[in-house]
Amino acid sequence: EPEVTQTPSHQVTQMGQEVILRCVPISNHLYFYWYRQILGQKVEFLVSFYNNEISEKSEIFDDQFSVERPDGSNFTLKIRSTKLEDSAMYFCASSYFTGTANTGELFFGEGSRLTVL
Amino acid sequence: KNQVEQSPQSLIILEGKNCTLQCNYTVSPFSNLRWYKQDTGRGPVSLTIMTFSENTKSNGRYTATLDADTKQSSLHITASQLSDSASYICVVSADNTDKLIFGTGTRLQVFP
Repeated sequence: EPEVTQTPSHQVTQMGQEVILRCVPISNHLYFYWYRQILGQKVEFLVSFYNNEISEKSEIFDDQFSVERPDGSNFTLKIRSTKLEDSAMYFCASSYFTGTANTGELFFGEGSRLTVL
Repeated sequence: KNQVEQSPQSLIILEGKNCTLQCNYTVSPFSNLRWYKQDTGRGPVSLTIMTFSENTKSNGRYTATLDADTKQSSLHITASQLSDSASYICVVSADNTDKLIFGTGTRLQVFP
């Protein structure tokens, strides 16, 4: 069964360093998302991406964050100058249809746990 | 403000028993409601998706209901198994946005 894969599964970094989290969405999907979950809190939307551009972003997704689909298969989340409060589990998701109004199924990866020291 | 609230926060049941989890939402304009299962440290996995016009939807031992008038949903788990131990998250989407709005989840523990 097709699945969304994420790497690394866990990354530890020093405050102020740049981090890139990688995702390989399901191959025929068109819509891509990043969500995050701080330990013990609810999952929060960061950004949606379609047709090689950001379609929507949350207030969390400030200039520190960027997304890219560099080669048609990978979908990356870059966090510049990480802060302690960026420590969280980051989930990538993909869908064939836009996963909200069209009730398209969103498939989530297993997550990348980021720890900022 | 769009919000999704769930109860109870946690629940312990014995294997083989049934349970019902509750979800209330204030999301407008409403598009659809989903229930996800999330094992500790893993990604959410979809159980059901319901639109405004659907009152109930089943997926094996999981049955979700939706009352769009009162903005409430429930997830009923029948004949629980040890593998049902997980967080169950109610997720709602609005009609004019890409983002899913997650509840805080109900942590279910099934004991033998």
